[in-house]
Amino acid sequence: EVQLVESGGGLVQPGGSLRLSCAASGFTFSSSSMHWVRQAPGKGLVWVSRIYSDGSDTRYADSVKGRFTIYRDNAKNTLYLQMNSLRAEDTAVYYCTRGISYGFDIWGQGTMVTVSS
Amino acid sequence: QSALTQPPSASGSPGQSVTISCTGTSSDVGGYDYVSWYQQHPGKAPKLMIYEVTKRPSGVPDRFSGSKSGNTASLTVSGLQAEDEADYYCNSYAGSNNWVFGGGTKLTVL
Repeated sequence: EVQLVESGGGLVQPGGSLRLSCAASGFTFSSSSMHWVRQAPGKGLVWVSRIYSDGSDTRYADSVKGRFTIYRDNAKNTLYLQMNSLRAEDTAVYYCTRGISYGFDIWGQGTMVTVSS
Repeated sequence: QSALTQPPSASGSPGQSVTISCTGTSSDVGGYDYVSWYQQHPGKAPKLMIYEVTKRPSGVPDRFSGSKSGNTASLTVSGLQAEDEADYYCNSYAGSNNWVFGGGTKLTVL
């Protein structure tokens, strides 16, 4: 079964850090570019970051640039998002998703990140 | 990068057709044939419905179709069914390795 499963979300104080993980199965993870997309409570989808299949190139939305780092371990079929200097506005459900033809075809169930004191 | 503009709501009766618009600029929707559409039911992950403006992934009913004219893309749902009631989001590649979503449209089946 084709699947993405996120984990690592939780409650963190402003200025804190969190690392999200996304375990992939059922498809060739090492050949797939991967993205993170987030959705604040009651709000729309926002693209966050992208990484090439071999990890050679990463890109970020301006809102997270310099604070978030996307990386992957193809041997473990796992995608990561290291989030530092977290702010209240980073509160959202974070989805990992596979990139295809400049769209996103496989989505995880999401993991909730809450930044609050 | 500003979000693409979608109407906040749309509605139609079962069996009818409804079209949802998604307006951007020449730097995103108008500049690339990389518009995609996503359906999201409450509490669920988004689902890809259309990619590259008009293409349907395997398993998506042909009641769903996409088009684009200039800086505006559209999703049409024909033969509305109760299960089509959901939020719909458009997305466009915006160049320089950036992607932008629309604000979302809540589709109600009356």
